[in-house]
Amino acid sequence: QKEVEQNSGPLSVPEGAIASLNCTYSDRVSQSFFWYRQYSGKSPELIMSIYSNGDKEDGRFTAQLNKASQYVSLLIRDSQPSDSATYLCAVTGNQFYFGTGTSLTVIP
Amino acid sequence: NAGVMQNPRHLVRRRGQEARLRCSPMKGHSHVYWYRQLPEEGLKFMVYLQKENIIDESGMPKERFSAEFPKEGPSILRIQQVVRGDSAAYFCASSPGIRIEAFFGQGTRLTVV
Repeated sequence: QKEVEQNSGPLSVPEGAIASLNCTYSDRVSQSFFWYRQYSGKSPELIMSIYSNGDKEDGRFTAQLNKASQYVSLLIRDSQPSDSATYLCAVTGNQFYFGTGTSLTVIP
Repeated sequence: NAGVMQNPRHLVRRRGQEARLRCSPMKGHSHVYWYRQLPEEGLKFMVYLQKENIIDESGMPKERFSAEFPKEGPSILRIQQVVRGDSAAYFCASSPGIRIEAFFGQGTRLTVV
């Protein structure tokens, strides 16, 4: 079983809609959780970090963490075409474990 | 505060040559991670280093690949006797501590001809 699993997509949403990205992880002792955005041909860029159960909001982004269910999600409100990218979920244990990413396309 | 710096950005090597990839972490960061990424694929973990120590090298091939992070200077990922299959983007990320946010450099695109 992979450490971090994400639906590879592609996920398509219309402009202005909410995009929901999901991630599950296998290690119950994982303590830190991150979402990165990667545009094609570019390096990953950190957009959200979450360390405790519940929701964390930053602008149009909301990260949700449920440690009991080993589940972390990212909601993007009012999606824009510029949000079109691959979103990587990362979980820390002894090192950073990355999922394979979910490709998001926002349709104008 | 400068970000994570990787150089060179692009590197072309002939088969059998050596490739040296450099990563200067952000100021105050003592943890460095190296990843490899093939086109349209995810990040593959290679090695995790702290100053002067290799913490986890479970993702690094046992032959031809080595990494170091000396007390002074950048972290170096070295690939000896490169083969075409080594062609990829190599990213490093740095962090001030364990399980804390890590920031990526712009990557080195290695092409083996």
